Amino acid sequence: SQTIHQWPATLVQPVGSPLSLECTVEGTSNPNLYWYRQAAGRGLQLLFYSVGIGQISSEVPQNLSASRPQDRQFILSSKKLLLSDSGFYLCASPGAEGGYTFGSGTRLTVV
Amino acid sequence: GESVGLHLPTLSVQEGDNSIINCAYSNSASDYFIWYKQESGKGPQFIIDIRSNMDKRQGQRVTVLLNKTVKHLSLQIAATQPGDSAVYFCAESDSGGYQKVTFGTGTKLQVIP
Repeated sequence: SQTIHQWPATLVQPVGSPLSLECTVEGTSNPNLYWYRQAAGRGLQLLFYSVGIGQISSEVPQNLSASRPQDRQFILSSKKLLLSDSGFYLCASPGAEGGYTFGSGTRLTVV
Repeated sequence: GESVGLHLPTLSVQEGDNSIINCAYSNSASDYFIWYKQESGKGPQFIIDIRSNMDKRQGQRVTVLLNKTVKHLSLQIAATQPGDSAVYFCAESDSGGYQKVTFGTGTKLQVIP
């Protein structure tokens, strides 16, 4: 079955520092991959999606970027974090039974 | 833009009772709807889905109802258990080429033992 791995689980970073969050997928090939952000008490906001290696689409202008260096690897990055980048970051891919399969998420706190 | 929203932010139910969580959507082109459960500190978990050619679908203890006329979606949980306590999200998709999904803000379900 499909599994999405995300790390780290929690991260505290100072304002202005760089960011790299990694997502890897097992159990499927050539998946569509998505990065979502969830602010406290709110819904999920789509940040980036990728339909293949090197193919990235951005949904909202922001301080973040994404890359897909390998078929089952999706990376979320920032050169300089802002306070507003704090949130719960989720990687997702279409699930075999429907909807999305999500990773366990990374809780990012920018201080 | 198109949006998906929920009527109630918090729902409290007694253990053993049935729960009904409601959702309204605005994109008339949506043809695929999903319910997710999210426990604290975890990623959302797929519960059940329904396509626009159906108006009801049942799973284990859960039923999703779709009313396309009024653009309304509901999730019914039978015999609610403490383990059902979580935030529930509805989501919709218009089957775009990259399966883009729009999520609602969520309803918190609290089960009272």
